[in-house]
Amino acid sequence: AQRVTQPEKLLSVFKGAPVELKCNYSYSGSPELFWYVQYSRQRLQLLLRHISRESIKGFTADLNKGETSFHLKKPFAQEEDSAMYYCALTTYGGSQGNLIFGKGTKLSVKP
Amino acid sequence: DVKVTQSSRYLVKRTGEKVFLECVQDMDHENMFWYRQDPGLGLRLIYFSYDVKMKEKGDIPEGYSVSREKKERFSLILESASTSQTSMYLCASSSWDRGYSNQPQHFGDGTRLSIL
Repeated sequence: AQRVTQPEKLLSVFKGAPVELKCNYSYSGSPELFWYVQYSRQRLQLLLRHISRESIKGFTADLNKGETSFHLKKPFAQEEDSAMYYCALTTYGGSQGNLIFGKGTKLSVKP
Repeated sequence: DVKVTQSSRYLVKRTGEKVFLECVQDMDHENMFWYRQDPGLGLRLIYFSYDVKMKEKGDIPEGYSVSREKKERFSLILESASTSQTSMYLCASSSWDRGYSNQPQHFGDGTRLSIL
């Protein structure tokens, strides 16, 4: 079965510290992975997707098929990064773009 | 910029009522989705639609139905509201880039529904 696991419900770091939000997935085929972010009182929005290989707001994520992981990283956290982060999985050629979401990690960046 | 509009930000209804949540998107997207978002549970897919008058069950369809009479509009219906359906409801849409990949979903602001 397809599954996305985000092991941490809450991650708290100090400003300027590195941050890593973990995401592991379970899928037998070729996955497509996304990170979505929801800032306080804002709508859920796409942060990045693995096929783009972009760095958005200083965040990067590398797909590791051997470890079935797609961890989100940032070398120096900022207070404005505090938000809820969701990892999501879909499959190539799958059902018209269905996403399977993890349960989310709340990132709190302290001053 | 893609705009997904949900008709209400906050809604309070009573148990047993029939409740309608409306969602409209302005980007001619083929796919539309309804999720509920609960703390500690993340987003769970209720129903989705990939074309007008087409609908598919998601992970938690019980107690819900949907309607898609026009491409831009996707309605979620709570047939007989119960307190367990108190939640944040999110609507999303996406396009289907045939043969390549799934396009990202664009979300509305959400409707916080309270059933008393």
